[in-house]
Amino acid sequence: AQTVTQSQPEMSVQEAETVTLSCTYDTSESDYYLFWYKQPPSRQMILVIRQEAYKQQNATENRFSVNFQKAAKSFSLKISDSQLGDAAMYFCAYSPIQGAQKLVFGQGTRLTINP
Amino acid sequence: NAGVTQTPKFQVLKTGQSMTLQCAQDMNHEYMSWYRQDPGMGLRLIHYSVGAGITDQGEVPNGYNVSRSTTEDFPLRLLSAAPSQTSVYFCASSLRVEDTEAFFGQGTRLTVV
Repeated sequence: AQTVTQSQPEMSVQEAETVTLSCTYDTSESDYYLFWYKQPPSRQMILVIRQEAYKQQNATENRFSVNFQKAAKSFSLKISDSQLGDAAMYFCAYSPIQGAQKLVFGQGTRLTINP
Repeated sequence: NAGVTQTPKFQVLKTGQSMTLQCAQDMNHEYMSWYRQDPGMGLRLIHYSVGAGITDQGEVPNGYNVSRSTTEDFPLRLLSAAPSQTSVYFCASSLRVEDTEAFFGQGTRLTVV
């Protein structure tokens, strides 16, 4: 079975600085998808970024980028120029190549932004 | 476009009571799922459906039933609630198997006393 591990329960960063959230996963599949979801206090799950395992290029969405190391099974999220609105729980997630309906989530990292 | 709608948003049950958490989507998505979120454990898959009339179990199915009679609706039933089912429940949907983005409802906070 696939597993996703986030070893940082909490992180904090000064506003405007850069922070990196870590995620490792375990799978025997060669093709799959990886995601980072943001959950603000409203509880809404918001997709931040996704990465297809067959793509070597790291995904980027504005201030959010990932460092995908397939051999090491590592998938970290970098947030540049942190803003107060970035404060939230962040979840790393895995899905098989066929099945967005079968997401496997990590335990989450609570990110605090200090003004 | 309402997206994925869950009702109710909050519910308190007594041990042994039954209830149904409702989930509806208006995006004509084929795939729907239920997850539960517990502190320190992220979200875990309870049941999922790949289309009307087809359901399957996820990681933590015990104590929950589902059915999918229409494309739009995917209710989750608790037949005899237990305190261990106190959690936040999320419904999600996605368009088709190769479409990788899941859209989530806003969750139902359930407390079983």
